[in-house]
Amino acid sequence: EIVMTQSPATLSVSPGERATLSCRASQSVSSNLAWYQQKPGQAPRLLIYGASTRATGIPARFSGSGSGTEFTLTISSLQSEDFAVYYCQQYNNWWTFGQGTKVEIK
Amino acid sequence: QVQLQESGPGLVKPSQTLSLTCTVSGGSISSGDYYWSWIRQPPGKGLEWIGYIYYSGSTYYNPSLKSRVTISVDTSKNQFSLKLSSVTAADTAVYYCARVLVTTVTADYWGQGTLVTVSS
Repeated sequence: EIVMTQSPATLSVSPGERATLSCRASQSVSSNLAWYQQKPGQAPRLLIYGASTRATGIPARFSGSGSGTEFTLTISSLQSEDFAVYYCQQYNNWWTFGQGTKVEIK
Repeated sequence: QVQLQESGPGLVKPSQTLSLTCTVSGGSISSGDYYWSWIRQPPGKGLEWIGYIYYSGSTYYNPSLKSRVTISVDTSKNQFSLKLSSVTAADTAVYYCARVLVTTVTADYWGQGTLVTVSS
């Protein structure tokens, strides 16, 4: 099983600031990496797939990068609606998710 | 716009079988462009993939759950279902159904989720 490790567990950011979230795979997943956003009481929402392609309707302030084992999700200027938990997911070998990074208001 | 809705008992006794159904509206489950998936999330924890099915009936399961999981599809009702046998308290979770794009193997539409508690 490919283990996905996200850091940090919690990120405190002020509105308007940049947020950088990391995700590491225990072995190469190529570019088969997605990012999801989940708000309390809601289902996850697909943000990024193929490591860097924004899903339909996702604002340009969300960007993804990386390949192999190291990946990053960047939110360029945090809006109030962006405070949530973010999960990375590899789909190179079945599916596994990271444990999540909570982005909270500083 | 496609919508997915989970249904089934919210309480299951230990050692019994958990059964859930996902009803798809606004699109055909027989489309060859999608898989149909189950994912779960224990309270306060992260996401765990259970498996997915193609409209033809081909199934793909999480190896850690494979011995207990059956996913099936009913194209006439536009539904797919999950059965998880021999449940324990560790199977208590919110269960989500989702549509998975075949091209990207990512879930673009999700149901709202349903909480299933395993308790006597």
